[in-house]
Amino acid sequence: DGGITQSPKYLFRKEGQNVTLSCEQNLNHDAMYWYRQDPGQGLRLIYYSQIVNDFQKGDIAEGYSVSREKKESFPLTVTSAQKNPTAFYLCASSLGTGVYTQYFGPGTRLTVL
Amino acid sequence: ILNVEQSPQSLHVQEGDSTNFTCSFPSSNFYALHWYRWETAKSPKALFVMTLNGDEKKKGRISATLNTKEGYSYLYIKGSQPEDSATYLCASRSGGYQKVTFGTGTKLQVIP
Repeated sequence: DGGITQSPKYLFRKEGQNVTLSCEQNLNHDAMYWYRQDPGQGLRLIYYSQIVNDFQKGDIAEGYSVSREKKESFPLTVTSAQKNPTAFYLCASSLGTGVYTQYFGPGTRLTVL
Repeated sequence: ILNVEQSPQSLHVQEGDSTNFTCSFPSSNFYALHWYRWETAKSPKALFVMTLNGDEKKKGRISATLNTKEGYSYLYIKGSQPEDSATYLCASRSGGYQKVTFGTGTKLQVIP
């Protein structure tokens, strides 16, 4: 069954701790994305990757880091430098960028206490 | 950062009513416009992607149009049903950016 998975669904962390959110896809897609959603706001792009071993900052990359060592995996680390990390995080993938439809995972809700 | 705007922010309609909402996007260097449907507790799912001025797409009771010269797209739902209740997102690639920018969405509630 093809798809994109994120884990965990809910995550709680203490302030000052780094945390890594998982995103895996078996759709053989080249491009992957991380978005953040806050109440009353649209999806905001954190980072995206068009190909393995390459990634670009999105609109709100400060306080986040990513890696793309494998085509199917694009983990996001929320560092202690991120001022307001509590949010809903969505991962997506697509065959390519621009005109290609994005397929989304179920999301991870991160709460920093 | 591009501005992609959607209106209205939310909408309540009676079952059987037809409705429509708007997505506005930068018209310069337009590349593609996507519509997604996001039901509560589920992942956003693609509805349409449109690239050409005048494009019209249809899927069942849902259709969309595109005007790239003036920078807007309409999404229409004919005979709304409770299962149409969701947030409808549009996303645009314009202005030479390599990535799409999402609007804030229109939240539709269909009352039985």
